[in-house]
Amino acid sequence: GAGVSQSPSNKVTEKGKDVELRCDPISGHTALYWYRQSLGQGLEFLIYFQGNSAPDKSGLPSDRFSAERTGGSVSTLTIQRTQQEDSAVYLCASSLWGSGTGRQETQYFGPGTRLLVL
Amino acid sequence: KQEVTQIPAALSVPEGENLVLNCSFTDSAIYNLQWFRQDPGKGLTSLLLIQSSQREQTSGRLNASLDKSSGRSTLYIAASQPGDSATYLCAVKGNNDMRFGAGTRLTVKP
Repeated sequence: GAGVSQSPSNKVTEKGKDVELRCDPISGHTALYWYRQSLGQGLEFLIYFQGNSAPDKSGLPSDRFSAERTGGSVSTLTIQRTQQEDSAVYLCASSLWGSGTGRQETQYFGPGTRLLVL
Repeated sequence: KQEVTQIPAALSVPEGENLVLNCSFTDSAIYNLQWFRQDPGKGLTSLLLIQSSQREQTSGRLNASLDKSSGRSTLYIAASQPGDSATYLCAVKGNNDMRFGAGTRLTVKP
């Protein structure tokens, strides 16, 4: 079946512009995660959606970052007034459940969006 | 805040050798721990997931253990192959977040 998809695969933008990154999770998956990976760095957790519950936004690096998930499926990560330090690969993952057992919590990752802010 | 540490940062072994990758975490209040592999320029692939109530999981040549009380997990790879070369990441799931280690870059030489 189809895996997690992300768009665009690459995005180059100018400092100060807004960008929107999209994630389509695996159909039926209720949990969705956003991460970013800067060059040579580990994965940084950003935000996690579980079903229709309000997400914990404390992991977002600044108030320029926001995320929403419409209809419990597609998610959009928006970065306003982009800065050069926002350049990274943004990864999305989904799992069947966020607090189930074993395979239900296994995360499946998308290929990522590579963002470059000039 | 949960901190996850992986040792060693890099490891190079000859083909056929058994090896152990280590992961430690500071807060034992976790839901689960996962091991992933990441190939250069590609996304992450889940290898094993251990629930907080479990002690180990096995998949093929891979075995992962979890000692929640001491904040440690190990990933054991038996009879390593060149195709195992990748970066291995461990991640712990808390109440509302996931924390990843920096990874161990494994190279298996033919």
